[in-house]
Amino acid sequence: EPEVTQTPSHQVTQMGQEVILRCVPISNHLYFYWYRQILGQKVEFLVSFYNNEISEKSEIFDDQFSVERPDGSNFTLKIRSTKLEDSAMYFCASKEARSGNTIYFGEGSWLTVV
Amino acid sequence: GENVEQHPSTLSVQEGDSAVIKCTYSDSASNYFPWYKQELGKRPQLIIDIRSNVGEKKDQRIAVTLNKTAKHFSLHITETQPEDSAVYFCAATMNRDDKIIFGKGTRLHILP
Repeated sequence: EPEVTQTPSHQVTQMGQEVILRCVPISNHLYFYWYRQILGQKVEFLVSFYNNEISEKSEIFDDQFSVERPDGSNFTLKIRSTKLEDSAMYFCASKEARSGNTIYFGEGSWLTVV
Repeated sequence: GENVEQHPSTLSVQEGDSAVIKCTYSDSASNYFPWYKQELGKRPQLIIDIRSNVGEKKDQRIAVTLNKTAKHFSLHITETQPEDSAVYFCAATMNRDDKIIFGKGTRLHILP
């Protein structure tokens, strides 16, 4: 079964450093997402991406965050200057089409900011 | 925007008994309601979903019900087993939106 894959699985970074989290969505999917889950809390929407542009973003997704689809397969989340409160599990997800289709999650990238 | 409330936050159930988790949503335009199971350190996995044109859906020991008028939907797990222990998230989405919005989760403990 096709899967969303994410790298790295775990990254430790110094506060203020830039981090890039990488994702390869399922190949025929058109909608891509980043979600965040702080330890013990709910899964929070960050951003959705369709047709090579952001379609929606939450208030969490401020100027420190950006997303990119640099080629036909990768989808990246960049955090420009990490803060302690950015420590969380970041899930990439993808969906085949807009209308109520299942969103499939990757295994997550656990980011620890020290 | 959509807001999803979920309760209880924790639920302990004797093995073999049933578990019920309830959610409410705020936006009457929401029309797709997935349920995800998340084991510790793992990704959310879809276990069942329901669309707004259906009132109930069942898959073996798992069932979901939807009351559109009241904007409630519930997950029912019967004959619970130890492997059902996990965090369960309800979620809601609208056709015109790309995203799904999650509830806060229910930590289900199956007691031996």
